[in-house]
This record gives sequence, structure tokens and C-alpha cells, in this order.
Amino acid sequence: SQQGEEDPQALSIQEGENATMNCSYKTSINNLQWYRQNSGRGLVHLILIRSNEREKHSGRLRVTLDTSKKSSSLLITASRAADTASYFCATDAPSNTGKLIFGQGTTLQVKP
Amino acid sequence: NAGVTQTPKFRVLKTGQSMTLLCAQDMNHEYMYWYRQDPGMGLRLIHYSVGEGTTAKGEVPDGYNVSRLKKQNFLLGLESAAPSQTSVYFCASSSSGSSRAYNEQFFGPGTRLTVL
Repeated sequence: SQQGEEDPQALSIQEGENATMNCSYKTSINNLQWYRQNSGRGLVHLILIRSNEREKHSGRLRVTLDTSKKSSSLLITASRAADTASYFCATDAPSNTGKLIFGQGTTLQVKP
Repeated sequence: NAGVTQTPKFRVLKTGQSMTLLCAQDMNHEYMYWYRQDPGMGLRLIHYSVGEGTTAKGEVPDGYNVSRLKKQNFLLGLESAAPSQTSVYFCASSSSGSSRAYNEQFFGPGTRLTVL
């Protein structure tokens, strides 16, 4: 079963605006990752945040993690049309197999 | 460095036919995974492998088999295709499965399979 649930399912904004996507999960984690998928392509890793971290930045991306609420958010600042894609959160299971459990994704459209 | 490659890119099968999807990685990764992606369902893990010669079931393994005879290759087989297996299939690999280590997964471009 899916571990993560993402909200909203779809988001449409104007270029230059900020986009915020949320992810909730059910069980304890070691880390949470965010991936991006352009239409017709495979997923690409964006950023990882460990369970003992609360916030992490990478360029225009900001990720927060609240383990008490079992939730994470991804903020993309000053969005560009090229940011149009689907974004997925993924949590690792506390095992040694490297398995990730993906959310259903948020589809972001950035209008020029 | 090609990363993760998948063949074929597209395939149309009739119900009952069989086929094998090939995944290859040139990053010397130990761990490899097969996912399927359906609209509104995100990615679901079919099978995975933690090393050459080993395989394990994921979330939705029924109707699929896998083999990992060589470290760089991970094959996904459909013995008797069904319309419910129409999907986009992604292969991924990672360098470590340790819960204490960074386990970013690298994805292939996907195979779009239609079963009529």
C-alpha cells in the first residue's frame, strides 16, 4: 500500500510564484526524498532530508520535515515554466533493502 | 556513462503473449528495482534485487518474474500478459540499501507496455 499521500494532486501557478507541495506518511522513516518526473520521462532525485533534520535547502528548493506529524513539504520558490512536472515524495522503509515507498505525486503546471 | 537504460521503449502485446523487459546500469550499483506506474497510483514496486543472483517480491509481484544473473542487468518477465498489466514500467538502481546510508535511486526512461 502507498506510504505517502501528497497534497494537492494538481497545482497550477504563474511563473514567478512559489509552489508548495505536501506529503504525509504513515510509519517511521530514516529519510524522505523528493523526486521530479517530467512528462514521459523517468524520475529524477531532487533532495533528501533525514529524520533528524527539520529543514533543508537546495537552490530554489526548500524541504521541511515534521516527524511528529509525519509530514513533509516541498517549496519551489520563484517558479519557472521549466518546473512544470510531477513531484513525488518517497520514504525509505526501516530495512536494509533500499526500498522506497512513493506517494501518488503532485502535478505542477507553471504558466509562463 | 549511460546510467540506467531500458529496452524496449514501447511494446504492444496480445493477451497471453510473453515478453522480457531488460534493465541495464553501468554505475556498479548493488540494488535494482522494477516499478510500474499507473495514472493516479504513483509508483508501485514489483520486484527488487539486493545483489547479483538475488531477487525479492515487492508490493505487486503477481504475474511477473525477475532475474538478476549479472550485477548490471535486471530482467522483468511477463509469462502470460494480461490487459491489467498495461502500464509504464520503470527500472531503478541504487548504490546502497543500508538504512543508515544515502540511497538515492536512479531511474531509467521507462517502457510503455500495452496489452490488448
